[in-house]
This record gives sequence, structure tokens and C-alpha cells, in this order.
Amino acid sequence: EAGVTQFPSHSVIEKGQTVTLRCDPISGHDNLYWYRRVMGKEIKFLLHFVKESKQDESGMPNNRFLAERTGGTYSTLKVQPAELEDSGVYFCASSHNFRGSYEQYFGPGTRLTVT
Amino acid sequence: QKEVEQDPGPLSVPEGAIVSLNCTYSNSAFQYFMWYRQYSRKGPELLMYTYSSGNKEDGRFTAQVDKSSKYISLFIRDSQPSDSATYLCAMSARGFQKLVFGTGTRLLVSP
Repeated sequence: EAGVTQFPSHSVIEKGQTVTLRCDPISGHDNLYWYRRVMGKEIKFLLHFVKESKQDESGMPNNRFLAERTGGTYSTLKVQPAELEDSGVYFCASSHNFRGSYEQYFGPGTRLTVT
Repeated sequence: QKEVEQDPGPLSVPEGAIVSLNCTYSNSAFQYFMWYRQYSRKGPELLMYTYSSGNKEDGRFTAQVDKSSKYISLFIRDSQPSDSATYLCAMSARGFQKLVFGTGTRLLVSP
């Protein structure tokens, strides 16, 4: 079974530019989560999809961040326009939607550097 | 105050030692507890998942949850150099909800 994949692995952009991160969850996982780790801090939640619906977006920092999950498969996270403080590692995780099976499996992350 | 506190380390031990990693938390609503291992420049890898209080064992790893003390532990027996990594605790109040992470403890196992 293929794990969670993320693309790109690393992105370097200038302040004010736009970047789109992509996440492909484990096949069959209805739940998809985005997290972020900025330097020196803990991993923090951004938002949660169940299929194509946003279940919880309480962690999204501001309206420069837009997440989508069209068709309930892969998800994209767009940052527009990027600011210096957006630098960090963005992780995607997925889990089943079966009661009792709540484990979240993480992808390798996308390292975003805003200069 | 952070919801989850974890000593960042580093924790240095010789090969074969028993390692104890811990987290404390403040939110009594947390019921689901996970331990992840993260190697440098990689994503977190799920090691152990426990629900509510009690112990769970998987090979060399044992996870313990003491909800009355709001304290969770991960024990690694017969530690190996390949166990050198950052260990993250994470928890949630309900299944499928967001995870709240500790900062991670860096473990170094020397041959």
C-alpha cells in the first residue's frame, strides 16, 4: 500500500509569489489533514477534510491560505501571496473513516522557503 | 502555556539501554494518544497508538497513558543506533480530530 505522498518536496519562492502544495492521501482514506511546522516550533494543525468537505479549518492562519480537495481524492494548499513567516515544513496526513481506526499517517512533507 | 509539553533533549544513551520518553498535557479531554518517530528531513512515522489509559506493547516499544496525571510515556527496550531520531507525542480529544503535538524529543543512541 502506497503511503501519503506530497509534491514538491522543496519549494523556494520570493515574498509575494504564489505556491501550491499537493497531497495524495493513502487510497481509500476519507480523512485528510494539513499540518505545518515552522522552525523551532511544534507541528500545528491547519485543517481537516472529510472527503471533499472541510470539517475543521480552525488552524488556517489567514485568508492567504486556500485548501481544496476536489473529488475527495488529492488535496492542494495554495499560499497567495506568500510571506516570510510562511516558511516551514507542510505535512499532509490521512486516516480511514472507520470507527476505532483513528491513526493518522503522515507524508514526507513539503519544505517551503520564502525569501 | 502549551497544551502538550515535551522535553526537547537531546537524550543520549548507549546501545542496549532502556529509553523513557515522556509528555505531559493540560487538556483533560484528550483521549487518543500517538507516538511518532521522525528521522531528519522525513515525515513523522506512526509508532504507537493508544486510547484512554493503560499500556500497549509492540515489540521493543511500550506506550503508557496515565490520564489521572495527564502523563504519557514511550519506553524503548534494547535501544539501537537506528532508533536515533526525534520522537513526537501527539493527542486528540476525539477520533478523527486534529492532533496536538509536543515539540519532540531528540534521541541519540550511541554504539
